Amino acid sequence: EDQVTQSPEALRLQEGESSSLNCSYTVSGLRGLFWYRQDPGKGPEFLFTLYSAGEEKEKERLKATLTKKESFLHITAPKPEDSATYLCAVQVHGSGAGSYQLTFGKGTKLSVIP
Amino acid sequence: GAVVSQHPSRVICKSGTSVKIECRSLDFQATTMFWYRQFPKQSLMLMATSNEGSKATYEQGVEKDKFLINHASLTLSTLTVTSAHPEDSSFYICSAVYLEVYSGNTIYFGEGSWLTVV
Repeated sequence: EDQVTQSPEALRLQEGESSSLNCSYTVSGLRGLFWYRQDPGKGPEFLFTLYSAGEEKEKERLKATLTKKESFLHITAPKPEDSATYLCAVQVHGSGAGSYQLTFGKGTKLSVIP
Repeated sequence: GAVVSQHPSRVICKSGTSVKIECRSLDFQATTMFWYRQFPKQSLMLMATSNEGSKATYEQGVEKDKFLINHASLTLSTLTVTSAHPEDSSFYICSAVYLEVYSGNTIYFGEGSWLTVV
């Protein structure tokens, strides 16, 4: 069974204090690992998809990396507006519509204090 | 990035009535869409996979006759909650699969719809 574990569950940072969120996964065959940001009462906002170990992607203060067992979301010099829940999800290889399903972790709630 | 729109964003209905939620992919065609339910402070729970032109595939424990899904076109899927009861009150979110030309796929989510059954 595919499993996704995110840590920590919650993280409080001072503005400007860089840190990383972790997403460890166990899957039968990874097609892609997705990162999303979710604000309270909103749908998840797409950030990145990583497909193979060693891949890195960046967007503003965020950088996502992938190994064969885990992914990290690095947040450099965070600002209060980066406060949100960050979700990690995996998609495995397969055929048919169901193969596009995402298995989500429980998320990391990030709070950035001014 | 691609946009997925949900409507309505909030709806209140009386117990026993039905309510329809729409999910549209605004600038791409989506053969596959997904419907989720999210409880407070919890992650997303997949309800069903919606396939254009065919019957939806429901997750175990989700009542097919209560949560009717119709994916009649490549840009629209609808979720109808029939004979709604207060326990159906929740945050419902849809997503759509965007197939990229050269590399993989991206799953875009709608803004979500709050359903309150009174």
